[in-house]
Order: sequence, then structure tokens, then C-alpha cells
Amino acid sequence: SQKIEQNSEALNIQEGKTATLTCNYTNYSPAYLQWYRQDPGRGPVFLLLIRENEKEKRKERLKVTFDTTLKQSLFHITASQPADSATYLCALDTGGSYIPTFGRGTSLIVHP
Amino acid sequence: DAGVIQSPRHEVTEMGQEVTLRCKPISGHDYLFWYRQTMMRGLELLIYFNNNVPIDDSGMPEDRFSAKMPNASFSTLKIQPSEPRDSAVYFCASSPSGAYNEQFFGPGTRLTVL
Repeated sequence: SQKIEQNSEALNIQEGKTATLTCNYTNYSPAYLQWYRQDPGRGPVFLLLIRENEKEKRKERLKVTFDTTLKQSLFHITASQPADSATYLCALDTGGSYIPTFGRGTSLIVHP
Repeated sequence: DAGVIQSPRHEVTEMGQEVTLRCKPISGHDYLFWYRQTMMRGLELLIYFNNNVPIDDSGMPEDRFSAKMPNASFSTLKIQPSEPRDSAVYFCASSPSGAYNEQFFGPGTRLTVL
């Protein structure tokens, strides 16, 4: 079956370290992958998009990689801060319509 | 721009009642999406519109759910009759036209059906 997998367990890290979140997918050939941030009680907020022909994309302290062979995207936050604590969702198009399907998200907790 | 606006923010109702959720997308956005989010199932796409026309409603769980978009600045999601298992947070999102565009989400409506 087709799936998008994100770690269901929360990721706990110390402030200043690099947080790495994983998004794996099966049986898709997405044209793109997006990452969103969601804070409690709020809607998801778009962070980054990476296309299938791109290996890496950066934005400030954020870095996303996209390995279409491994069917995996990694989302990195360098020099993490307690304010980075949130749930991070990946989304990718799964049917050729460019409409994204969301993973269930991974909770990140950055400890001071 | 005020972003995507949803109302009400919270709704508590009793089983069997009709519930109407409302959404105002960002002006100029051609796409509008309705999602439901629960702990068990995550964020699920219910239906989406392009230029006010419903394109894919395959995510709508049952005939009790219906959605309309009478104009470019307003959409409703209706549940009639509501059931306790409909309790969830419902998000509306809008997106400009073109591939890959990010979605802009509203604050959500937290629905509780007793």
C-alpha cells in the first residue's frame, strides 16, 4: 500500500544541537515534497518545498534533502532553539495532480 | 491580507444536529481545501475546489458531509446529522494556482459532538 511515514515518537534534543526529522514514502514518485510546521491549536505553516530534481534546499537554519532513490526526505534544523518546538509535517503529491498528501507529523521538543 | 479565516473557532453540538463550518480563503487564491485532523488519522483531505468548482471529494467520509463554494471568497462544510465520531479539528486552506504552491491554512474549527 502507499504510505507516508514520519516518526510517531517525539524527538527530544538539547538547545543548540541539530534536529533531524525523517519522512519516508513508498510506492510514490512525487514531483515535490513540502515541509510544514504546526504549533498546538494552530494550522500548519509552510516552511520549504523541494522538487524531485533537487537534492537539497536551504532556508536560514533549515535544510531539506530529497533522495528519490531511497524515497526519503530529511529535514534539519541547525542551532535549534526552544522556539523550534512544534510538530513538523511532510507533504508530497501522490497522484500526479500536485495536490499534497500529508504525513502524520513528528513532534520536536527542544530543551533549554 | 488577514489570511484564511474560519468560523466558528470552536463548536460544541449534540449528536444529530446540523453543523456548518465556514471559510474565507485568501483573495486571489484559486484553490480551496477542507481537511480534518485527528490524533488517530492525522490530517486528511476531505475535498478541494478549483475556481469554485469541486474537483475531488473522494475524502468526504459519508453523505452526511457536504461542501459548497458559492463564490471565490466563501466556502462551507456542512455535517448533517453530526455524530460523536465527527469530533475533530477541521481546517480550511487556500493556495494560488500553479504546481507546487504551498497551502495557507486557517486557524481551524475544533468540533465536539456530544
